[in-house]
Amino acid sequence: KAGVTQTPRYLIKTRGQQVTLSCSPISGHRSVSWYQQTPGQGLQFLFEYFSETQRNKGNFPGRFSGRQFSNSRSEMNVSTLELGDSALYLCASSTGVTDTQYFGPGTRLTVL
Amino acid sequence: QQQVKQSPQSLIVQKGGISIINCAYENTAFDYFPWYQQFPGKGPALLIAIRPDVSEKKEGRFTISFNKSAKQFSLHIMDSQPGDSATYFCAASEWTGGFKTIFGAGTRLFVKA
Repeated sequence: KAGVTQTPRYLIKTRGQQVTLSCSPISGHRSVSWYQQTPGQGLQFLFEYFSETQRNKGNFPGRFSGRQFSNSRSEMNVSTLELGDSALYLCASSTGVTDTQYFGPGTRLTVL
Repeated sequence: QQQVKQSPQSLIVQKGGISIINCAYENTAFDYFPWYQQFPGKGPALLIAIRPDVSEKKEGRFTISFNKSAKQFSLHIMDSQPGDSATYFCAASEWTGGFKTIFGAGTRLFVKA
């Protein structure tokens, strides 16, 4: 089975812009979770989607949003980018029935 | 209560030695405890995981020890190799209408040849 894929792998944006990241889960997996990884804060949970519905969310501002499509692919959007949004954004897929997650390679976002 | 505390921050071990990384949690609703290995430029890879109904799980050179009463769990890497040099994360997961996973801060392991 193909693993979790994320596009793009690298992004450079400027403050105030918005960005959309994409994640394709492992075939057959219906849950996608998003995480932000920074050297200072480590891995922080953003939200989880299952069957097109957000099931859970972490403590991030409303500028961070996501959605999931009927084929389980997910997108994450960050609006009005701030310098502090520079991070590695990881998505993880699971069946949604168990909590065993498999991570993608991440999208490295740099905000200038 | 949502934190998972991981120690040490960094660890240097001789080749062939045992690497031990410890984690502690407060939230008794956590019911799944995975460990992830991450190499630079890569996403975390699931290494081994345990549920609180068992006290130990072994897969190859990797062993998780779990102490439910102390709310602690640890990863032991036997016969550590230079290729094990990576960052290791413990995590804890609970069901809150959806799965929510909290990660420890990570341990940078360096295995000296």
